[in-house]
Amino acid sequence: DADVTQTPRNRITKTGKRIMLECSQTKGHDRMYWYRQDPGLGLQLIYYSFDVKDINKGEISDGYSVSRQAQAKFSLSLESAIPNQTALYFCATSDGTPDTQYFGPGTRLTVL
Amino acid sequence: AQSVSQHNHHVILSEAASLELGCNYSYGGTVNLFWYVQYPGQHLQLLLKYFSGDPLVKGIKGFEAEFIKSKFSFNLRKPSVQWSDTAEYFCAVTPRGSNYKLTFGKGTLLTVNP
Repeated sequence: DADVTQTPRNRITKTGKRIMLECSQTKGHDRMYWYRQDPGLGLQLIYYSFDVKDINKGEISDGYSVSRQAQAKFSLSLESAIPNQTALYFCATSDGTPDTQYFGPGTRLTVL
Repeated sequence: AQSVSQHNHHVILSEAASLELGCNYSYGGTVNLFWYVQYPGQHLQLLLKYFSGDPLVKGIKGFEAEFIKSKFSFNLRKPSVQWSDTAEYFCAVTPRGSNYKLTFGKGTLLTVNP
């Protein structure tokens, strides 16, 4: 969905490096989410935010942190990347009622 | 906590064949149900959703799904698939009223041969 953008689209980095993935949306939604997708595992929720002052951990938050800089921006950071964080990362937004989520194009991250 | 099971990991069909992808969820209360599709190299897109009312819901591109409460199921169907339906399909559930977290199944990869 062009209303949800992610940068970068692809990133290769080395173990131990700090990485930030960014998500922006023009849908005006309050709720934003970060997921990772691994082959055969579906999508797993890393963090979610209901508004700028509300940040919550998801199923697999260890090794990740987030920042909600504005209603439209939600960044995901890997403080010290490790190879098993190699995955496809998706940002999503929703307006909450009912909770239909709209996904960005994804960031393919490779940690060597 | 809720969970979602998709029984088929990979389904291979020929064009014009009928499709049914299974989805069962585990949760004791009322839920909202979704099917998302991910075409090769693309992001997830909403295919259809069920919140309440008629348990047979119709989505885009000729897909439909039926909610059977007694079976905790929300199977996806299409009477005649096309090559362009080749994609990965994800079933997802969220408890009604929680409005915070989708739980996804592991996905079913559909390959349609021309």
